[in-house]
Amino acid sequence: DVKVTQSSRYLVKRTGEKVFLECVQDMDHENMFWYRQDPGLGLRLIYFSYDVKMKEKGDIPEGYSVSREKKERFSLILESASTNQTSMYLCASSLGLAGYEQYFGPGTRLTVT
Amino acid sequence: GQSLEQPSEVTAVEGAIVQINCTYQTSGFYGLSWYQQHDGGAPTFLSYNALDGLEETGRFSSFLSRSDSYGYLLLQELQMKDSASYFCAVRRGSSNTGKLIFGQGTTLQVKP
Repeated sequence: DVKVTQSSRYLVKRTGEKVFLECVQDMDHENMFWYRQDPGLGLRLIYFSYDVKMKEKGDIPEGYSVSREKKERFSLILESASTNQTSMYLCASSLGLAGYEQYFGPGTRLTVT
Repeated sequence: GQSLEQPSEVTAVEGAIVQINCTYQTSGFYGLSWYQQHDGGAPTFLSYNALDGLEETGRFSSFLSRSDSYGYLLLQELQMKDSASYFCAVRRGSSNTGKLIFGQGTTLQVKP
């Protein structure tokens, strides 16, 4: 079974803090994704990585950066957290070109106060 | 641009059949996926249609009509545990990198 894990289920941070969200997958998948999910807005892609050290911006990259130093690990960084970044963050991975099947982690509920 | 439309909410009773529709506009089409997400849980993959027709997996079936840019997820013999959000998704444009664009989700409520 593919397993995607995220470092925290719940996180509370203060405005202006630098926040790191970690995601690890154990199935040697090339593609990894960070989404945020907000009520009524569905899943929105923040960043995508198709290989180690390779990344692409998604639909809403402003205020975020990412790091992929190892194939199994994809980190999302909030450089200076703001209250409008309070959200559910979901990490996912998929195998190569078969992108129609993504495997999701359990999510991190981030609250910025 | 690319977009998907699906109803925001659907309600049905236990044991019934429900259909969740999805229409899409894309600049290149490779297939339609469906995901299920229970409240507080992670989305999980349900099905994928690359060609026209019906794909059946147990109580769930998914249909695609490429000419109509339309698909649906059919849930039969509804159970209370089927109460969840259901998302359709398509691959983005001509990308071969596995990026998907998701619909906004349909919340299915199953009543006793």
